[in-house]
Amino acid sequence: ETGVTQSPTHLIKTRGQQVTLRCSSQSGHNTVSWYQQALGQGPQFIFQYYREEENGRGNFPPRFSGLQFPNYSSELNVNALELDDSALYLCASSLGGEWDGRSYEQYFGPGTRLTVT
Amino acid sequence: LAKTTQPISMDSYEGQEVNITCSHNNIATNDYITWYQQFPSQGPRFIIQGYKTKVTNEVASLFIPADRKSSTLSLPRVSLSDTAVYYCLVGSPSGSARQLTFGSGTQLTVLP
Repeated sequence: ETGVTQSPTHLIKTRGQQVTLRCSSQSGHNTVSWYQQALGQGPQFIFQYYREEENGRGNFPPRFSGLQFPNYSSELNVNALELDDSALYLCASSLGGEWDGRSYEQYFGPGTRLTVT
Repeated sequence: LAKTTQPISMDSYEGQEVNITCSHNNIATNDYITWYQQFPSQGPRFIIQGYKTKVTNEVASLFIPADRKSSTLSLPRVSLSDTAVYYCLVGSPSGSARQLTFGSGTQLTVLP
């Protein structure tokens, strides 16, 4: 069973640029969630994709967008980067659908560390 | 989503039992309580989840009193490798949008 993988591991961008982060979900999982974690804080929910459609969004502006592909992998795109976007971006996969008592067991990847200068 | 309150940090010694309490006074009827563990530069890892009374798995126990306004994560005989941030989360599995809302967590430091 392959775990959640993310690429790249680290990334440095300048203010105003655009970035795309990628995530491969765990085998058999159809739901991907993205989180932003600033230094010293807990992860903050950005949005979730279930069967290729956005299925919930946190308090993030529209310049944060995403995609989920038929194989359930996902991308997070951030446009017009700001200095405050510097953070660890985490992807988590899970098995969505009918509640089965284990919904909160999400499996996280190692994250992508984004630095905006 | 119910807000949670946890201690910012805790210290313990190897071999001791550690109990981390989380307060969630506004927990809703459908809410579950979930704990995650996070090591530096890694994604959080699911530890345990419960609704009421006591839940135990191979790594931890979760105690939830009858009023469900708090919960206690119990780690038996901690080791140095248990040093991490522990997050208490409360939420309802409404449909398929199972958003996790993390607070600031509790930094547990296990000392030799």
